[in-house]
Amino acid sequence: GAGVSQTPSNKVTEKGKYVELRCDPISGHTALYWYRQSLGQGPEFLIYFQGTGAADDSGLPNDRFFAVRPEGSVSTLKIQRTERGDSAVYLCASSRSGTETGELFFGEGSRLTVL
Amino acid sequence: AQSVTQLDSQVPVFEEAPVELRCNYSSSVSVYLFWYVQYPNQGLQLLLKYLSGSTLVESINGFEAEFNKSQTSFHLRKPSVHISDTAEYFCAVTPNSGYSTLTFGKGTMLLVSP
Repeated sequence: GAGVSQTPSNKVTEKGKYVELRCDPISGHTALYWYRQSLGQGPEFLIYFQGTGAADDSGLPNDRFFAVRPEGSVSTLKIQRTERGDSAVYLCASSRSGTETGELFFGEGSRLTVL
Repeated sequence: AQSVTQLDSQVPVFEEAPVELRCNYSSSVSVYLFWYVQYPNQGLQLLLKYLSGSTLVESINGFEAEFNKSQTSFHLRKPSVHISDTAEYFCAVTPNSGYSTLTFGKGTMLLVSP
């Protein structure tokens, strides 16, 4: 596609439910990143994929959060047993190879609201 | 670890006035510096970056930023703003030694009014 696509754009769920957020990066981009942006804060790093593998998952807050990228393209961020504190905008970004320091292409985000 | 401070959460300014958005960073290693912009209902996009060389970097739409190592700052400036510059601006850093895991500031909302 022309840009990074994220679905759904909005998700409202109840505390304790399971949620999946999808990211479709720019075609040919091998590096993919997930960030989380809470209200009034800047984006916070969650996880970085190089190809199919998670090269750095140090930003995942706890084991309720998990992400996959099985074919090296689309990625899914999975959140189990959601909590109200998980409410945020989840941003996905991609870059050609992960080495063009700083030049990430972001999607518009998935806004998650946990009631 | 790195951190970024953007002290101004919101900067109101009139059209055609100059503006400066402040960014200070903290890091124990050398870093690359960036400004990203988020226009309403759009994703973040790179505005400009400092990697090496000249400490003054410019964007295609008239913004500039100057890397000041002694003051650990990377302030963003524009001599004359337009209504269309209304957006949220994020300063970010990454160590100059590997892949691009950016650390962002909290952002500054630039509000340009007629």
